[in-house]
Amino acid sequence: EAQVTQNPRYLITVTGKKLTVTCSQNMNHEYMSWYRQDPGLGLRQIYYSMNVEVTDKGDVPEGYKVSRKEKRNFPLILESPSPNQTSLYFCASSPRDRGRLYSNQPQHFGDGTRLSIL
Amino acid sequence: AQSVTQLDSHVSVSEGTPVLLRCNYSSSYSPSLFWYVQHPNKGLQLLLKYTSAATLVKGINGFEAEFKKSETSFHLTKPSAHMSDAAEYFCVVARNNNDMRFGAGTRLTVKP
Repeated sequence: EAQVTQNPRYLITVTGKKLTVTCSQNMNHEYMSWYRQDPGLGLRQIYYSMNVEVTDKGDVPEGYKVSRKEKRNFPLILESPSPNQTSLYFCASSPRDRGRLYSNQPQHFGDGTRLSIL
Repeated sequence: AQSVTQLDSHVSVSEGTPVLLRCNYSSSYSPSLFWYVQHPNKGLQLLLKYTSAATLVKGINGFEAEFKKSETSFHLTKPSAHMSDAAEYFCVVARNNNDMRFGAGTRLTVKP
């Protein structure tokens, strides 16, 4: 089954304790991204990756890091989490558009990770 | 620059009645427009996508949306609501996957 898998689904932790949220897709997609969802704000992009070893900042990258060492995995790292990073996080992937630098294909989303930073 | 406004944060309908979820957008180029649905504790699922072909776009589960350039709108409709349609719906305007704007969402409630 084609899917995007995020782990953990839920996490409560404390300020300053480094954490990693994993994301894996089995569709051989080139493009992956991370979003956070906050009430009344919709989804905002944190980071994206167009392919292995190619990552770039989205709209709200402060306090986050990512890596793309393998095509299927795109972990989100919070080096020193703070309470304002309490949110619902989604990973998404999509195939590239042939002949185009940027993809405009619909994205496949994971089921989300709810982070609470105390 | 681009932006999207979902005009209703919450819509409530009775089962079997029509659904209308409103979306207005602003874009300095010809955008792609999407509607996604989010069921509780789930990720977003694509309902439909507009990319400058037919202005009336048919999606899954009986939903459709009409692109109206003169009104800068992309409203989502369904003739007859089912209980399973209760969810949150997001309108998205995009230049590409690196340049997307999500609306704040509309929560649809379906009453028996």
